[in-house]
Amino acid sequence: KAGVTQTPRYLIKTRGQQVTLSCSPISGHRSVSWYQQTPGQGLQFLFEYFSETQRNKGNFPGRFSGRQFSNSRSEMNVSTLELGDSALYLCASRYRTGSSYNEQFFGPGTRLTVL
Amino acid sequence: GQQLNQSPQSMFIQEGEDVSMNCTSSSIFNTWLWYKQDPGEGPVLLIALYKAGELTSNGRLTAQFGITRKDSFLNISASIPSDVGIYFCAGQETSGSRLTFGEGTQLTVNP
Repeated sequence: KAGVTQTPRYLIKTRGQQVTLSCSPISGHRSVSWYQQTPGQGLQFLFEYFSETQRNKGNFPGRFSGRQFSNSRSEMNVSTLELGDSALYLCASRYRTGSSYNEQFFGPGTRLTVL
Repeated sequence: GQQLNQSPQSMFIQEGEDVSMNCTSSSIFNTWLWYKQDPGEGPVLLIALYKAGELTSNGRLTAQFGITRKDSFLNISASIPSDVGIYFCAGQETSGSRLTFGEGTQLTVNP
């Protein structure tokens, strides 16, 4: 079974631009979560989607948004990029939400650099 | 908000030695997980713990879910060079699915 895939793997943008990142979960998994990883803040939860609905949201500004499609694929969008948005953005999938007995599996991440 | 304190921050050991790292929380978690991350890659799940007091092994790795539900430890026995990487603990809240991560333990194994 294929793992979580994320595209693109690397991205360079300039301040003020916007960016869209894509995540395809493990086949059969319906929940997708996004995390931001930086050297200073570590791994921080952004949001989670299940059945095309946002179920949980972390403490990030409204410039960070996401959506999920009917095939469970998810996209994350960051508008008006700032230098501090440079990070590794990780997507994680699980079978469903609200259960203690299904683990989250991570993709390889998208490395975003904002110049 | 919830915070996880993971220690030590880094470890330098010789091949063959045993390693121990732990995480403590100010809040209770329903699930503890341990991940390993290699440079440029996403975290890979090593062990998941679901019940207080649970002790689980995965090869040379052993992890325990603390009785108070506020802590967990991971042991690696007979370390090998491929154990090099950053190890993260993560806790899952009672409700919802977000993971709260520790700061990570950077492990270096000298052959």
